Amino acid sequence: GQQLNQSPQSMFIQEGEDVSMNCTSSSIFNTWLWYKQDPGEGPVLLIALYKAGELTSNGRLTAQFGITRKDSFLNISASIPSDVGIYFCAGQHALSNTGKLIFGQGTTLQVKP
Amino acid sequence: DTGVSQDPRHKITKRGQNVTFRCDPISEHNRLYWYRQTLGQGPEFLTYFQNEAQLEKSRLLSDRFSAERPKGSFSTLEIQRTEQGDSAMYLCASSPWGPGANVLTFGAGSRLTVL
Repeated sequence: GQQLNQSPQSMFIQEGEDVSMNCTSSSIFNTWLWYKQDPGEGPVLLIALYKAGELTSNGRLTAQFGITRKDSFLNISASIPSDVGIYFCAGQHALSNTGKLIFGQGTTLQVKP
Repeated sequence: DTGVSQDPRHKITKRGQNVTFRCDPISEHNRLYWYRQTLGQGPEFLTYFQNEAQLEKSRLLSDRFSAERPKGSFSTLEIQRTEQGDSAMYLCASSPWGPGANVLTFGAGSRLTVL
């Protein structure tokens, strides 16, 4: 099935560093979501974005809905060991309202204390 | 609100056997989704229900797969004559009607291993 282009695929950083990851689509989306998944668990919602240009924060996390409506970015500031996990972007096509999400391949984040 | 519950969490079966997974969504959510996730990949949409009506099915959902939501509450996903390629995490999610309909809350998943 279709998936979004998410990068980087993995990151290994030092505790305290900032992290950036992004997601691109070939088509326009009306919703962008960012999830975090721990091993053996389901994805947990971090941030939801609904409008082009929207910038939303959740604690140390900040995400933006790209103005082209074809991309989104997630930044994590001052990383801590519990940030370890797999981060997924997900989006819904502009003409859809079904909740049928397209997911990226994930960014695996490892944080060295 | 206990979130989305899935059962069993893990299932190991032999090729050719049938398996069934159950999902209990958040009680006030009327939309329910099934996704499949293989190792190293993001979840992929399988099907979704609005109340008891199954409104969309992915081409990934072969005729060996069937999903039901008989009373608009819990749902079951059955896989008949399992194949090794069916090994994956099966994720259930739910969302409310109206604002937030596109924001899915996922369960912990049911991991299937077909030997």
